[in-house]
Amino acid sequence: DGGITQSPKYLFRKEGQNVTLSCEQNLNHDAMYWYRQDPGQGLRLIYYSQIVNDFQKGDIAEGYSVSREKKESFPLTVTSAQKNPTAFYLCASSIGGGATYNEQFFGPGTRLTVL
Amino acid sequence: ILNVEQSPQSLHVQEGDSTNFTCSFPSSNFYALHWYRWETAKSPEALFVMTLNGDEKKKGRISATLNTKEGYSYLYIKGSQPEDSATYLCALSDSNYQLIWGAGTKLIIKP
Repeated sequence: DGGITQSPKYLFRKEGQNVTLSCEQNLNHDAMYWYRQDPGQGLRLIYYSQIVNDFQKGDIAEGYSVSREKKESFPLTVTSAQKNPTAFYLCASSIGGGATYNEQFFGPGTRLTVL
Repeated sequence: ILNVEQSPQSLHVQEGDSTNFTCSFPSSNFYALHWYRWETAKSPEALFVMTLNGDEKKKGRISATLNTKEGYSYLYIKGSQPEDSATYLCALSDSNYQLIWGAGTKLIIKP
């Protein structure tokens, strides 16, 4: 089955620790995205990548880092510099990043809690 | 900064009734408007992408209209069923081809 997987589903982190969230897709999509969801707010874009070995900051990139070494994978690292990391994180992909009408396909999400 | 507003924030509807809710956005520099459905414990799924003023899209009992001149889109659900319970998100494409998301309308269908 084609789709997007994220792991783990739940993640707990101590303050001051970096943590990496996994996102893998087998849809052969060029573009991938990381969003953050907080209660009562719309999804906010953290980082996106339109092609392998390239990525761009979204609206709330501070305290996060990504890599795109393979087409299928777009891991997100939440660093200790992120002041309020507790949130629900969604990964998505689309056929291409350069069109306004491309549908995005989403993973099941990771809920990160900082203790 | 573009802002996308959805109303109401939540909505309780009796099974069998029809309902609608709104997505508002800046009317200048319009590119596309997306609707997604997000059921509890699942991933958001695309419903419609709308690009032209006056567009109307339909999928089963769900339909959407678009008015780019006044900056709004309506989502209609006819004869609500329990499986329609979900959060409905709209998102506006910006000039960088990225999506600006509304906070969603949470729809609860009462049996």
